[in-house]
This record gives sequence, structure tokens and C-alpha cells, in this order.
Amino acid sequence: AQTVTQSQPEMSVQEAETVTLSCTYDTSENNYYLFWYKQPPSRQMILVIRQEAYKQQNATENRFSVNFQKAAKSFSLKISDSQLGDTAMYFCAFMEYGNKLVFGAGTILRVKS
Amino acid sequence: ETGVTQSPTHLIKTRGQQVTLRCSSQSGHNTVSWYQQALGQGPQFIFQYYREEENGRGNFPPRFSGLQFPNYSSELNVNALELDDSALYLCASSRTSGGAEADTQYFGPGTRLTVL
Repeated sequence: AQTVTQSQPEMSVQEAETVTLSCTYDTSENNYYLFWYKQPPSRQMILVIRQEAYKQQNATENRFSVNFQKAAKSFSLKISDSQLGDTAMYFCAFMEYGNKLVFGAGTILRVKS
Repeated sequence: ETGVTQSPTHLIKTRGQQVTLRCSSQSGHNTVSWYQQALGQGPQFIFQYYREEENGRGNFPPRFSGLQFPNYSSELNVNALELDDSALYLCASSRTSGGAEADTQYFGPGTRLTVL
């Protein structure tokens, strides 16, 4: 069974600084997809970024980028120029083609002014 | 474009009762997945519906059941409620095209269920 591990329960960062959230996963598959979702206190889960395992290039979305290391099964999220609105629970998630997302336990990120 | 919506927002039930949660998928999406999120944990996959049939199921007992309607909306039904069923229930919709690409799931705001 696939598993996703987020080893940092909580992180803090000063506004405008950069922070990296860690994620590792375990799978025997070669084709799969990785996601970072953000869940603010309002609780709606919001997609941050997506990475296809067959793509060597790391995905980027504005201030958000990933460092995807397929051999190491590592998928970290870098947030640049952190903003107060980035305060949320961040979940790393794995999906093979088809149906279910497997989530990690989450990392609480607090951005301080 | 209308996003994923869920109703009700909050629900309080007593042990042994039955509950129905509803989800309307995002415009253009044909697949609905349901997740249970206990407090302080990541969501756990319950099941997915595509073409009005169950298309994959997580480790949940048969008292968790669902439906998908021709307009792609979906219901989650839970019978014989237990205290441990208290959680946030998230619905996610996606567009399954039958190709090789997996489709991103977009989530609704969730229904908070409390079982007393």
C-alpha cells in the first residue's frame, strides 16, 4: 500500500521569507501523481500544485515550487515570499492513475508578521 | 464556473441514527470522491463514483454507502452511526476522460458531522 509521510508537524516562517515543507512517499509504481493541498482554518481543501512522476521538470505555480526527487521518493514544497494568507495546514498527497488520493498527516504552517 | 458544493455545513446526530450528505460536482466534472477527515488528521478515502457506479473503495464498512446521479451529483449515506464517525466529510470532483492522465480532484467545503 502506498504511504505518504510528512515529518514536520508544525513550521513557522517570517513574512516575506522562504520555507520548505518535506514529504516522502512509498510506492512500487512508476507512473503516479503528487499533489500539495492547502487547508486554511476555514477548512476548504485548496490545490496548491501538482507533479506528474513522468515529468523530470519540477512544477511551479507563482510563489510555490516543488523539488521532486523520484529516486529518493521525495516531494518537498517551497513557498517563497511567504504571506500571512499562506497560514494553513498543508497536505502532501499521492495518486496512481484512477481513483484515490492518499494523504500525509499534514504540516501546520504559521506565517508570522 | 461553479465549484464543488456540499450540504449541510454542519450536522449533529445521535449514535445509531442514519445520515445523508450531499455533494454537487464542479461544472464539467463527472467523477465524485468522498473522504473522511478526523480532527487533526489527513483525509481518508471512502469511495469514488463514476458513471453512477462505485469505482474504488477504501477501508470503510458497508454501512458507508453512496450514490451518484445522472447530473453527477452524489450522496454519502452512513447507517448505524458510531461515535467514531464524527469527522469532516469532504467531497471532491474530477473529470475522468478515459485517457492515461489522472485528473486533479477539487474539494468542496466539507460537512462537519458530530455524533453524540
